[in-house]
Amino acid sequence: DADVTQTPRNRITKTGKRIMLECSQTKGHDRMYWYRQDPGLGLQLIYYSFDVKDINKGEISDGYSVSRQAQAKFSLSLESAIPNQTALYFCATSDRTGTEAFFGQGTRLTVV
Amino acid sequence: GQNIDQPTEMTATEGAIVQINCTYQTSGFNGLFWYQQHAGEAPTFLSYNVLDGLEEKGRFSSFLSRSKGYSYLLLKELQMKDSASYLCVLEGQAGTALIFGKGTTLSVSS
Repeated sequence: DADVTQTPRNRITKTGKRIMLECSQTKGHDRMYWYRQDPGLGLQLIYYSFDVKDINKGEISDGYSVSRQAQAKFSLSLESAIPNQTALYFCATSDRTGTEAFFGQGTRLTVV
Repeated sequence: GQNIDQPTEMTATEGAIVQINCTYQTSGFNGLFWYQQHAGEAPTFLSYNVLDGLEEKGRFSSFLSRSKGYSYLLLKELQMKDSASYLCVLEGQAGTALIFGKGTTLSVSS
């Protein structure tokens, strides 16, 4: 089983719909992150959390919200999806400063 | 804020050596990572530099100069499977997250 699991892997949704992307990890890490990736733009940080009670906005948080339900779970919500939120979304975890981040396999989201 | 610059694309041939440069502007950071990402897949860790100098790991080496705001990833004995994007990543100071550059797409031909 993967250490970092994202569900769903692919999703097509309509403009205006609410959608939740889920991430769970078995690494026992405190730190979790959500990134989106658009062609030519690299990975952009949406939100991050360094423990269950900690939530921080990233570079592009507008239109998104998150919930850290437990150490192992970090969900990303789009309250009202719009077409320019079509992208590849990655969840990642890390243990502490100076250690590598582990990524999920990504969720490909299409908003039509 | 932080700004990271990398070349968009590079090409090389099998067996060659290639150096991918990364320059950055930041008010402070803990360290610098390099990740590899094949198209449509998750990024995977290659190296981490916290001190100035060269870190070597097999065919891959990474260099950091804090005073010059500069890092590079050196890939030796290139193989076709090295065709991928290479991401330069700053680790912010305490309480901040990883910030990614836009990546350099390397194409290796035979």
